[in-house]
Parts: sequence; C-alpha cells; structure tokens
Amino acid sequence: GQNIDQPTEMTATEGAIVQINCTYQTSGFNGLFWYQQHAGEAPTFLSYNVLDGLEEKGRFSSFLSRSKGYSYLLLKELQMKDSASYLCASWGGGGNKLTFGTGTQLKVEL
Amino acid sequence: GAVVSQHPSWVICKSGTSVKIECRSLDFQATTMFWYRQFPKQSLMLMATSNEGSKATYEQGVEKDKFLINHASLTLSTLTVTSAHPEDSSFYICSAYTSGFNEQFFGPGTRLTVL
Repeated sequence: GQNIDQPTEMTATEGAIVQINCTYQTSGFNGLFWYQQHAGEAPTFLSYNVLDGLEEKGRFSSFLSRSKGYSYLLLKELQMKDSASYLCASWGGGGNKLTFGTGTQLKVEL
Repeated sequence: GAVVSQHPSWVICKSGTSVKIECRSLDFQATTMFWYRQFPKQSLMLMATSNEGSKATYEQGVEKDKFLINHASLTLSTLTVTSAHPEDSSFYICSAYTSGFNEQFFGPGTRLTVL
C-alpha cells in the first residue's frame, strides 16, 4: 500500500527558511515529487528525487533518504508569493502512479 | 514542451445531467493519462488510470459506470461524469505520462459545480 504523511500547516516569515517534511511508505518506489499548488490551480512541478541526497534548484531544495522513507522540501529567502500548498507525492505502486500527501499549507507572513 | 490542456476550465450543470471533460497532450504523445479529483482543502485523489486503446483502471471506490473514461488516441482522454449530483462538485485534474519522462504533466484542471 501507499502512505504519505506531511504536516497540515506551517507559518514562516518573509526572508526566512522553512523545511517541509514528508514521510512515505510506498511499494515499488520510483521516486519522490514535490509540487506547489495555489488555490484553484493545478499543481506545478518543483522537484523529483529518486536517489538519496539533496537536489538544489534556486531557492528550493529537496532531500531524499530512501532507507528512512523520508524527504523534505527546503525553501530559502521566502517570499509572500510562496504562500501555497506544497504536496509531497510518491511514485510507484505499479502503473506509474502518483500518491499524494494531504499537502502542507504554507503561510508566509511579513 | 510537455503541455497538457483541459476543457472546459469550469462548468456548471444541473443535477442529473452529464458532463464531459477533455484532456489533451499538446506537444507529446501520452501513453497513459491519469484522472484526479480534489475536494476543497484536500489532496489530489487518483480516480483512474487510462492507457490508450484499452479500458481504464479505476481506483477502489470510484464507480466506473458513473465516471466514464475514454482514451481513444495518444493525445486525448475524456472523462464523462454521468448523472451528476451536487456531491460530484469538485476540481477534476488530468495528467499525462509517457516513457522517457520522469514525471506526469498536469492539466490546469476543471472546476465542476453541480446545482
């Protein structure tokens, strides 16, 4: 089966750094995705990790530990526009399926 | 590249009517398309997986006779919500995948409101 856990809400200050954690249990694991979703819009791709380690892409970085079933998304130099829901999704379980977590609603404050 | 469109972007219909939503991959051929549903403040829930030329595979709890999926070509899949009811009101999102890509490409979503 598939199981994804991430915090429901987080609040951070503009200019700060925030880390959003995700744990997963996925059979046939093929990778871990992070998406950003603004209200009323479809998710937009942020990152994909399949090997252990840190992937850095501008202000956003994503980390994966396959042995621990753990990932995090790191957002640096937070901006107000980063206020959104961040979805962790595991790829696997046969049929190239994505299983989404409930999403973490991030609120960036002044 | 890798653009996916959905039509319509929003639709309002009366209870009991049927609504068809189209999902198109505009610049690549998608061997597999996925249909998701998202209720307010909830995450995306996979409804079904659609492979071109074959019957869709539905997730547990999704009624295949109510949510008809057709994937007639490598660039088009349709989802028809038959005899829609207010509880079917939701945000429906499709995604497209083909081998060689390490991700699914999402459409912009369709907001369905059933009165």
